[in-house]
Order: sequence, then C-alpha cells, then structure tokens
Amino acid sequence: AQSVTQLGSHVSVSEGALVLLRCNYSSSVPPYLFWYVQYPNQGLQLLLKYTSAATLVKGINGFEAEFKKSETSFHLTKPSAHMSDAAEYFCAVTYTGRRALTFGSGTRLQVQP
Amino acid sequence: KAGVTQTPRYLIKTRGQQVTLSCSPISGHRSVSWYQQTPGQGLQFLFEYFSETQRNKGNFPGRFSGRQFSNSRSEMNVSTLELGDSALYLCASSLEGAEDTQYFGPGTRLTVL
Repeated sequence: AQSVTQLGSHVSVSEGALVLLRCNYSSSVPPYLFWYVQYPNQGLQLLLKYTSAATLVKGINGFEAEFKKSETSFHLTKPSAHMSDAAEYFCAVTYTGRRALTFGSGTRLQVQP
Repeated sequence: KAGVTQTPRYLIKTRGQQVTLSCSPISGHRSVSWYQQTPGQGLQFLFEYFSETQRNKGNFPGRFSGRQFSNSRSEMNVSTLELGDSALYLCASSLEGAEDTQYFGPGTRLTVL
C-alpha cells in the first residue's frame, strides 16, 4: 500500500520568503512522486514529478523538490514566494503500472504582502 | 493543444436522482481517470479507462460507474445520489505508456440537495 503525508494543512509566508511544503511518502516499491497545485475553482496543475531519474526535480513557476529516499521525503521548495503562489498544493504518489494517484490531504499556502 | 475539458462545470441534483458527467481528454491521450474531491475525504481515485475498458477501480460503491467511447471521451454516472456525493469530480488524461503523469481538467462541481 502507498500513502502520502503532508505536514501542515496551512502554511503562511511573507512575499519574498522561502516556501517549504513538506511531503513524506510510504511505498513498498520504488515510487513516482508528484506535486500538483490547485487554484480556487480550478482543477489540478502538475508542478513537477519524480520518476527515478535525478533526485532534484525542477518544475514550473520556480518550484523544485528533492527526493530523499533515506528520509522518505519529497518536500517542495521555492526560494522566493510570490502573491500568485497562494493556492492549495497536493503531493501524490504512484508506482509504475499502477495508473492511479494517491494524494496527500493538501497544504494551503497563504502569501502575506 | 487544448487541455482536458469537463462538462458541465456545475450541477445541482436532489437525493435519489442520477447524474452523468462528461470528460474529453487531451488529443492523443487514451487513458482517462476520474477522481472525487471532498473536504472530508480529500482526493480519491474512482476508476481509470483505456481503450474503452476499465483497467483500474477505486474503493467506491457500485452506484459509481463509467465508460469510455472509441474517441477516448469518457463519462461517469452516479445513480441514486446521496448527500455525501456532493463533491468536485475531476477527470485526468494521460498518454499510453505514461499513465503516471496525469493532466487534470477543471472539474465538475456536483451539489446534491
């Protein structure tokens, strides 16, 4: 079985500050990991994915995430928050051949001016 | 290339009715998955279709069903609606052989009164 835990349902940062959203996974097989963003009244947009290539993954909008097998983590970071980053972020896991994503509970990011 | 489209965007139904939601995948994508998003349960996988066949199914009652047409468009149906079926229903499409990377539509917001 696979699962994802996102620590912190709400995170608030100041504009220009570092963004760090935490994701820990549990998987009995090598995982594929994803971060998605959801803006109000919209679907999910893929930010980045890890599929067993480079452990440091760069995504859209300046986000990146590092896969750390020893810590079973895949935290999302962005050096400098922008007001437009305010949204809900979801970490998800799957594995080759599964074809279904298991999502974390989400983290709502608030960016203060 | 156009993204995943879902119709209708909003629906209001009453308990006991049935509903059909539609999803058109990205051109060239033959795999379509459906997810339910609720505040209480989060994002949960419903089922996945490929080449008009259901390949994968989540843990939902038989009232939830789906199908896929030869042009890869998909529909999902919920019969005998319950209040708890109120949710955002998201459709995602992916390329054959790359089903781990799913692209989501904007969703259909279903309200059951």
